[in-house]
Amino acid sequence: AQSVAQPEDQVNVAEGNPLTVKCTYSVSGNPYLFWYVQYPNRGLQFLLKYITGDNLVKGSYGFEAEFNKSQTSFHLKKPSALVSDSALYFCAVRDMRTGFQKLVFGTGTRLLVSP
Amino acid sequence: DADVTQTPRNRITKTGKRIMLECSQTKGHDRMYWYRQDPGLGLRLIYYSFDVKDINKGEISDGYSVSRQAQAKFSLSLESAIPNQTALYFCATSSTDTQYFGPGTRLTVL
Repeated sequence: AQSVAQPEDQVNVAEGNPLTVKCTYSVSGNPYLFWYVQYPNRGLQFLLKYITGDNLVKGSYGFEAEFNKSQTSFHLKKPSALVSDSALYFCAVRDMRTGFQKLVFGTGTRLLVSP
Repeated sequence: DADVTQTPRNRITKTGKRIMLECSQTKGHDRMYWYRQDPGLGLRLIYYSFDVKDINKGEISDGYSVSRQAQAKFSLSLESAIPNQTALYFCATSSTDTQYFGPGTRLTVL
């Protein structure tokens, strides 16, 4: 089955420090991977995706993610965290078992950036 | 995403009541989805639709039904609400791999 795991319920980082939010995946075949962010009282917003090509994917708001096939990981990173980055982050993988574009989401990681 | 709207944004109802959540989109996408979000469980797919003639069950469709009235409208119904359906519900749309989400409906079933 297609799945993603987010091993950390919460990540705490000080403003200005680099941040990493972890995601590992389990798929059959080549993965289509996504990161979404949810701010309080808002819907999910698309950050970035990996389909193929360069293992380092750049996305919105200065975020990037590194695809690592050998470690089956797709960690979200940002060189310098902002307080406004505090939110809930979801990793997702496309369900390749069907032709339909279904996504399977992780359980989410709450990022708290302290001033 | 302002192109995907959901009504109502908040709803409190009682056990046994029928309730409908509505979703509209102006993005021109053919694919639409309903998810529920519960703390610690992430998002789980309830139903999805390729077009007005194509409705498919997701992983947690029991207790829910949907209607695709037009390409732009996709409604979720709870025929007889129960307390464990208390959750945050999201509608999403897509034309490619990227899904775009509405602001959500917070539903409380007493």
